[in-house]
Amino acid sequence: DAKTTQPTSMDCAEGRAANLPCNHSTISGNEYVYWYRQIHSQGPQYIIHGLKNNETNEMASLIITEDRKSSTLILPHATLRDTAVYYCIVKRPAGNKLTFGGGTRVLVKP
Amino acid sequence: DTEVTQTPKHLVMGMTNKKSLKCEQHMGHRAMYWYKQKAKKPPELMFVYSYEKLSINESVPSRFSPECPNSSLLNLHLHALQPEDSALYLCASSQERQMNTEAFFGQGTRLTVV
Repeated sequence: DAKTTQPTSMDCAEGRAANLPCNHSTISGNEYVYWYRQIHSQGPQYIIHGLKNNETNEMASLIITEDRKSSTLILPHATLRDTAVYYCIVKRPAGNKLTFGGGTRVLVKP
Repeated sequence: DTEVTQTPKHLVMGMTNKKSLKCEQHMGHRAMYWYKQKAKKPPELMFVYSYEKLSINESVPSRFSPECPNSSLLNLHLHALQPEDSALYLCASSQERQMNTEAFFGQGTRLTVV
């Protein structure tokens, strides 16, 4: 599975959009981009995933560049409860191996 | 029911003890996982079970012994652990043979080896 690079940490203001970048320049054509987050002392939680088209659900939006070498997770209106470590993961469609990288520690401030 | 339930939530054990961690899900998922997470580090995959058979072992020491007695249960048997094995142990499950579905994680068992 392709490796991902994310900023170590970032702060964002409550009520504002949070834009979390992820680089995956070695992604293969059939690999998907997944995002999970882990709130302190809890298990990781699935957020969203996509292949090449932009995706949106009730939690977030995922924007994938046309060359698929990077993506951005957007939390449209960050709340204090969104403070967590956010993991960007590239995964092949088949197989069960979900490999976590370092993630971005996001702190939402009032 | 979209829960993965892990018991116990906390466990303290001596280096000569034998203990087991338990994980249960009732979502009909046929893939189940054990992860280990040290403080301020990402989760590391240990084992994957697919249809109750071990499909991935990430070179985990034999003092960790997984077991999948049925499609809803996953155990991790612990024996002769070291203090450095203290960590959060996470269980997860997902659909098998269905591409691009998410994994559901339990809240973990926080293990301390003394």
